[in-house]
Amino acid sequence: GAVVSQHPSWVICKSGTSVKIECRSLDFQATTMFWYRQFPKQSLMLMATSNEGSKATYEQGVEKDKFLINHASLTLSTLTVTSAHPEDSSFYICSAREGLQDEFFGPGTRLTVL
Amino acid sequence: TQLLEQSPQFLSIQEGENLTVYCNSSSVFSSLQWYRQEPGEGPVLLVTVVTGGEVKKLKRLTFQFGDARKDSSLHITAAQPGDTGLYLCAGASYGGSQGNLIFGKGTKLSVKP
Repeated sequence: GAVVSQHPSWVICKSGTSVKIECRSLDFQATTMFWYRQFPKQSLMLMATSNEGSKATYEQGVEKDKFLINHASLTLSTLTVTSAHPEDSSFYICSAREGLQDEFFGPGTRLTVL
Repeated sequence: TQLLEQSPQFLSIQEGENLTVYCNSSSVFSSLQWYRQEPGEGPVLLVTVVTGGEVKKLKRLTFQFGDARKDSSLHITAAQPGDTGLYLCAGASYGGSQGNLIFGKGTKLSVKP
């Protein structure tokens, strides 16, 4: 199957700082990338959808100024959590899809905000 | 709003037992995916079913898509401790502009040796 990588795999930061998470499709062109958040013992919650070269579409309740998404190329999308607070601590997972093919997930990034 | 109801939410069984996980919706999906997720990792795609009534087998796992493409099931035969994990169903509907997946809440399976 297709491979999606995420970096970093975990990050600990102080409250008020910004954190950038990268998502890369390694062996295919990701025309669409998705960002999810998963709290402990819960399912994945879609945060936003981004198409290469376009602005991301955010789900209801997700602040676009807080979660900045950039999808500048067909293999890279970034999620920046700005002015992070403890309630932003979560497991962030990206996924990527080429056209309407299957969606493949990255390994996730554990964010802990102190 | 499309919803996927997944059941049971938790399942703890002994090695060798059979089990079935269900995924139901009132909406029609273009396709449905089943994923397995280990703690601290991203979901891994197990199978995609597309055609109503379709049955796919992956070793001891059998996946079925309902005739009306509104529901799906995952049956595991002779479960093993290695099957332990979170199983997620996700429906895709490409009638909208985004075509994003709708996830069920997951079934946490624990298989005891």
